[in-house]
Amino acid sequence: NAGVTQTPKFRILKIGQSMTLQCTQDMNHNYMYWYRQDPGMGLKLIYYSVGAGITDKGEVPNGYNVSRSTTEDFPLRLELAAPSQTSVYFCASSRTGLNSPLHFGNGTRLTVT
Amino acid sequence: GQQVMQIPQYQHVQEGEDFTTYCNSSTTLSNIQWYKQRPGGHPVFLIQLVKSGEVKKQKRLTFQFGEAKKNSSLHITATQTTDVGTYFCAGNNFGNEKLTFGTGTRLTIIP
Repeated sequence: NAGVTQTPKFRILKIGQSMTLQCTQDMNHNYMYWYRQDPGMGLKLIYYSVGAGITDKGEVPNGYNVSRSTTEDFPLRLELAAPSQTSVYFCASSRTGLNSPLHFGNGTRLTVT
Repeated sequence: GQQVMQIPQYQHVQEGEDFTTYCNSSTTLSNIQWYKQRPGGHPVFLIQLVKSGEVKKQKRLTFQFGEAKKNSSLHITATQTTDVGTYFCAGNNFGNEKLTFGTGTRLTIIP
């Protein structure tokens, strides 16, 4: 089992560009999450999904979009990248939403200049 | 909204000394989870506490959940260089699938 796989590992974007961060999991987990972690800080929830076809906003959703067409995949779309979106992005999954540990991917380090 | 604070933000200890990080929530939690993130790595799940007053041990690590289920602590006995990293607590409100992460405590070890 690969667990949670994120691509790319690193990316540099110019202001105003768009990109999609890919996340896939092979554990058949229903719940998937996107977090961002700014340098030296904690993790803030961007979006989450409780199953295919269902997504909901977290704490910091502005500037991002998600979709969940399959159980395995949960891509995060950045439209009109801004310097404030420079961060490390972690995708995670869990079997159930409550009382279930999160399994994290290795992260995508994004710089917007 | 729910806030989860951790203290201290940073802790530097000599190898062999003990270390404790404290986690405090503004609301009552249904459970608390602890994660460790090595420098440059991703958070890795350590443990989950669910019951009021629960204490769990993993080798040199002791985890406690407060009686009011609003605070928790992680204590490491006789730290080793492998303990270096940032320790996060994370909690759910009752009926809420969203896990709120604490601010984290970064532990560095002086050999």
